[in-house]
Amino acid sequence: DGGITQSPKYLFRKEGQNVTLSCEQNLNHDAMYWYRQDPGQGLRLIYYSQIVNDFQKGDIAEGYSVSREKKESFPLTVTSAQKNPTAFYLCASSMLGTSGSGPGELFFGEGSRLTVL
Amino acid sequence: RKEVEQDPGPFNVPEGATVAFNCTYSNSASQSFFWYRQDCRKEPKLLMSVYSSGNEDGRFTAQLNRASQYISLLIRDSKLSDSATYLCVVNPRSGYSTLTFGKGTMLLVSP
Repeated sequence: DGGITQSPKYLFRKEGQNVTLSCEQNLNHDAMYWYRQDPGQGLRLIYYSQIVNDFQKGDIAEGYSVSREKKESFPLTVTSAQKNPTAFYLCASSMLGTSGSGPGELFFGEGSRLTVL
Repeated sequence: RKEVEQDPGPFNVPEGATVAFNCTYSNSASQSFFWYRQDCRKEPKLLMSVYSSGNEDGRFTAQLNRASQYISLLIRDSKLSDSATYLCVVNPRSGYSTLTFGKGTMLLVSP
């Protein structure tokens, strides 16, 4: 079955540690995204990538880093510079929309819950 | 004005009721619109796209009002399984490569 796989599902981190969240998709989608969701809040975009070896900052990129070395993989590193990293992290992918129309439907992974102790 | 605004709710309705949510968006150049459903502690999933002509899928009807810059979602004959948070999602400008999510409206359907 095609889909998006995120791991780990739950992660605990000590302050000052970097952690990397994995995101893999087998949908052959060009675009991949990382969102953060806090309780009672909407999804906020961290980074996105439309093509291999290229990515763009979203609205809240500070304290995060990404790479896109393969089409199917888009890992997110939460660095020690991120002041409040405890959150629900969602990875998504989509086909690129036709010119001027934006992305198509977003397909999400099941998410990773990060807790800083 | 926030880019995408929704009433957070919760909307408490009995089974069988009809319920409607609105979502307003700030950018008149917004190109595409969606409703996503998110169950508690789960990932969002596409419920339906919203077209200029309106869109109906079973008990669900979505409409777009460009003049007043809002989209709506109508749920008829509510089921217990409809309990979830409904996210309004907008592509805020032509050719923009990411979507903007509202904070969601929570629906609770009771027996």
